Amino acid sequence: GEDVEQSLFLSVREGDSSVINCTYTDSSSTYLYWYKQEPGAGLQLLTYIFSNMDMKQDQRLTVLLNKKDKHLSLRIADTQTGDSAIYFCAESSSSKIIFGSGTRLSIRP
Amino acid sequence: GAVVSQHPSRVICKSGTSVKIECRSLDFQATTMFWYRQFPKQSLMLMATSNEGSKATYEQGVEKDKFLINHASLTLSTLTVTSAHPEDSSFYICSAAPGQGQGYGYTFGSGTRLTVV
Repeated sequence: GEDVEQSLFLSVREGDSSVINCTYTDSSSTYLYWYKQEPGAGLQLLTYIFSNMDMKQDQRLTVLLNKKDKHLSLRIADTQTGDSAIYFCAESSSSKIIFGSGTRLSIRP
Repeated sequence: GAVVSQHPSRVICKSGTSVKIECRSLDFQATTMFWYRQFPKQSLMLMATSNEGSKATYEQGVEKDKFLINHASLTLSTLTVTSAHPEDSSFYICSAAPGQGQGYGYTFGSGTRLTVV
């Protein structure tokens, strides 16, 4: 079945760039997403990319998609303390979304 | 933008009782809503897809008699955890999207923390 994998933890220094990586198995994925979850809260859609795109940039966020390798990444420029959260990669090819395990991003001063 | 309201945000109940969680789309009609369960430090696991006016589609391993889903209108889906037990304690999150839910239209509720004592 479909599977989405991402590393569990990432620690970066405040002001540096954060890069969170994700791989997926479903070659028929239509949309790929990045969601942010803060403690005790629901999920916030950060950005999404359509499968025929290679890159999408939105302010501090840059999404790169390598469809051949089924690899998705999220780059957060100038990482701030408010960016501390769990980031979920997800994909959909039908009406449901499959989530990765989430990457916990921590910021050190 | 699209807003999904989920209530209650937190509930504590006694073992053996039932708990109802509501998920409302506030500014759009949602033909399809989704219910997820999240264990601590884990990802979201899709429990079921709720379709307005018809039966929900449950994922493998989810007990349909224990997790009752009702999607009686285009703006409201409810999840009832029946005869709750401590192992049902979890974070439940709903999501909704206009139409059939394809693409970028998914919006998530703020989640419900269920604790069964």
